[in-house]
Amino acid sequence: AQSVTQLDSQVPVFEEAPVELRCNYSSSVSVYLFWYVQYPNQGLQLLLKYLSGSTLVKGINGFEAEFKKSETSFHLTKPSAHMSDAAEYFCAVAGQGAQKLVFGQGTRLTINP
Amino acid sequence: NAGVTQTPKFRILKIGQSMTLQCAQDMNHNYMYWYRQDPGMGLKLIYYSVGAGITDKGEVPNGYNVSRSTTEDFPLRLELAAPSQTSVYFCASSYSSAGSRGNEQFFGPGTRLTVL
Repeated sequence: AQSVTQLDSQVPVFEEAPVELRCNYSSSVSVYLFWYVQYPNQGLQLLLKYLSGSTLVKGINGFEAEFKKSETSFHLTKPSAHMSDAAEYFCAVAGQGAQKLVFGQGTRLTINP
Repeated sequence: NAGVTQTPKFRILKIGQSMTLQCAQDMNHNYMYWYRQDPGMGLKLIYYSVGAGITDKGEVPNGYNVSRSTTEDFPLRLELAAPSQTSVYFCASSYSSAGSRGNEQFFGPGTRLTVL
């Protein structure tokens, strides 16, 4: 079975400051990793995903994440935050061959002017 | 394409009432899912389906039922509503499973349900 821990329930940053949202996972098999974003009163949409190959994955809206197998981490970063980035972000994991996606608890990103 | 649609957007139920949350997708996806989202708890899988006529329980199935008679539709039935079922419900679909080359799930806009 897989599990995901998002280490921060809330992350406040100033506009134009760098963003880092942390995610650690646990699995006994190889995994696929995802970051989803949920804007207020909307469903989730895919930000980026790691399947294999290059461990640095680029997504939409300037976000990227790095897969570190030795640390079982998949942290999400962005060099400069915009007000429009305010949302809830979910890390998720699927074991290879698994039917289901397992989500973390979510991290709410707030942007201060 | 409309993607994944859900109705209703909002609903208030009294304890003991029943209702069906509707979900439809027009992407010809095989897999469909129902999740509930509670504050600080992330998304919990209620039921999922890998194709018409095939459904299986997720992490929190108690108090819910599903059916999948067509590829497009995946309704979620609440029998005897309880306050613990107050939540936001999301339907999602994907071509194949997340564990199969990391298939993306597409989400509907959600149904906000309150049970009083």
